[in-house]
This record gives sequence, structure tokens and C-alpha cells, in this order.
Amino acid sequence: SQQGEEDPQALSIQEGENATMNCSYKTSINNLQWYRQNSGRGLVHLILIRSNEREKHSGRLRVTLDTSKKSSSLLITASRAADTASYFCAMRLYTGGFKTIFGAGTRLFVKA
Amino acid sequence: DAGVIQSPRHEVTEMGQEVTLRCKPISGHDYLFWYRQTMMRGLELLIYFNNNVPIDDSGMPEDRFSAKMPNASFSTLKIQPSEPRDSAVYFCASTIVAGDEQFFGPGTRLTVL
Repeated sequence: SQQGEEDPQALSIQEGENATMNCSYKTSINNLQWYRQNSGRGLVHLILIRSNEREKHSGRLRVTLDTSKKSSSLLITASRAADTASYFCAMRLYTGGFKTIFGAGTRLFVKA
Repeated sequence: DAGVIQSPRHEVTEMGQEVTLRCKPISGHDYLFWYRQTMMRGLELLIYFNNNVPIDDSGMPEDRFSAKMPNASFSTLKIQPSEPRDSAVYFCASTIVAGDEQFFGPGTRLTVL
């Protein structure tokens, strides 16, 4: 499968702690994106990192990309209860048109 | 802009009935995507359009599914006849640059009894 694999599948932490989610993929990518989905809602784009970038920050989010290991991580620092959601990585494949393939997601629960 | 608009938000129908899902993309976005989300299979790309033209429909599960985009501001996904295994949340998304940030609608939760 060309889908990304995410781990952990579920993560439960206390408010204030950091949350780290990982994504691995199998083929070459043009970029990798992270999305958040609150229960019953559509996906919301968080951050995009291109294949020639290694790290990117946006507020409390930090994304890393290691193309040699075909993996990425999303770090949420100082988590809040409002961060409770599912997080998906999405990969734009280097070949095959303009498809973006989504991973299975990590369910994050932040306890107040 | 109001964002991507989908209707209906919820649809309950009986097996064998025709179902039509609707989507209005963000104005100015040239790409429109239809996805299906289930617990078992996650988020699957069904089809995407560029400038109203279907580009890749390899994700459409079978001939019961069809999608059209008659103009830049409207798309439909039709299932005829519907089956219980079609029950899922269907999302529409649009973007300006293919492969970059996609803007998702709120989804249509379809239940086929």
C-alpha cells in the first residue's frame, strides 16, 4: 500500500505534556502534510513540509521530515484539552499525478 | 468565503435507493476531491477534478458510483443503487494548488439501511 502508517494509533496524555505522533511512508514524496480532525468534523490543514525541508514550526507545532528514513513526526508542545482530535499525515506522491494519500491517523486525547 | 459547502449533512436511505451528495468548492479553487471515510478503510480518495474535468477516478469503488462537475461551483457524487456497505462519511475538498493544502467540507454522513 502507498498509504502512510501512523503510530501510535491512540495517545492519551495530560494537559501540559507534549504529544508526539509519527508517520512513515513507502514511496518518494513531494511533500507531507498534517491535518487535524475533530469528532464529526472535516479535516483541517495544520502544516506542510516539502521534501527538501527537514523541520518546520507553526505555533506549538513542530514537524520533522527524514526522507532517508521515509518518516515524519508531529510534535504538539504544551498540549491543551482542545487539542483532543485525530491527526492525519498526508503525502503528496512524487509521481502519479496530484494525489494526496492519507494515513490512518492517530487519536489524541488530552486530559484536563 | 464560507468554505467548502456540502449537502446534505446527514442522509439515511434504504438499500437500492439513489443517493446524491452535493458539494460547492471554495471560489477560485481549480481542484475538487471526493473522499470516503470509514473506520475500516480510513480516508480514501474516490475521484478528483481539475477545472471541472475528472482527472483520476481510480478510487471509485464500482459502477454504482458516479461523479460530475458541471461547473466550477458545483459537484455531485451519486450512488445508484445504494448498499449498506456504502455507509460512510463522504467529504469534499478543494484546493488551488494540487498536492498542497486541501480545504475540507463538513462531510455528509450516509447511512444505508
